[in-house]
Amino acid sequence: DIQMTQSPSSLSASVGDRVTIACQASQDITNYLTWYQQKPGKAPKLLIYDASNLETGVPSRFSGSGSGTDFTFTISSLLPEDIATYYCQQYHDLPLTFGGGTKVEIK
Amino acid sequence: EVQLLESGGDLEQPGGSLRLSCAASGFTITPHAMTWVRQAPGRGLEWVSSISSNGDSTYYADSVKGRFTISRDNSKNTLYLHMNSLGAEDTALYHCAKGLRLGFDNWGQGTLVTVSS
Repeated sequence: DIQMTQSPSSLSASVGDRVTIACQASQDITNYLTWYQQKPGKAPKLLIYDASNLETGVPSRFSGSGSGTDFTFTISSLLPEDIATYYCQQYHDLPLTFGGGTKVEIK
Repeated sequence: EVQLLESGGDLEQPGGSLRLSCAASGFTITPHAMTWVRQAPGRGLEWVSSISSNGDSTYYADSVKGRFTISRDNSKNTLYLHMNSLGAEDTALYHCAKGLRLGFDNWGQGTLVTVSS
């Protein structure tokens, strides 16, 4: 199974800060990676697919990059409504696997 | 509006069975692979099972293989998950989601399965 390791597991940042989350795959997954946002009590929401493609309707302050085993998710300017847990997920191989999540809070 | 509405979650004893349903509205599930993802209380996301658009191919996590069966009825626009031999480790909120590859672009709010004596 492909292990997905996210870091950090939590972070606290100020409104307007640039926030970066890392996701590392245990083997090469090319660009078969998605990022999800899950707000408390809500279902996850797809933000990015194919590592860097923004899902329709998702604000442009969200972005993704990387390929192979190392990936990055960025919020260019943190807003209060971005408080959530963010997950990466690989779809290169079954079983599909998720990272452990990164909880983003406002400082 | 695209919606997925799960139902069937309940408190069940260890060794018991449940059938979860996921009714889609606002779109037809026919051309889409569909998936179940679960989330144990306070934990992260875990892929459970997926099914191809025509139902010919099914895929399972090792943790549920042989105990869970995914199925679909395209005429009813509904996805199912039959769960047998339930254990405490199956306690979770079960979400259905549209898609398999390229990510899951629509999710339901989930139905809660609690396994306890």
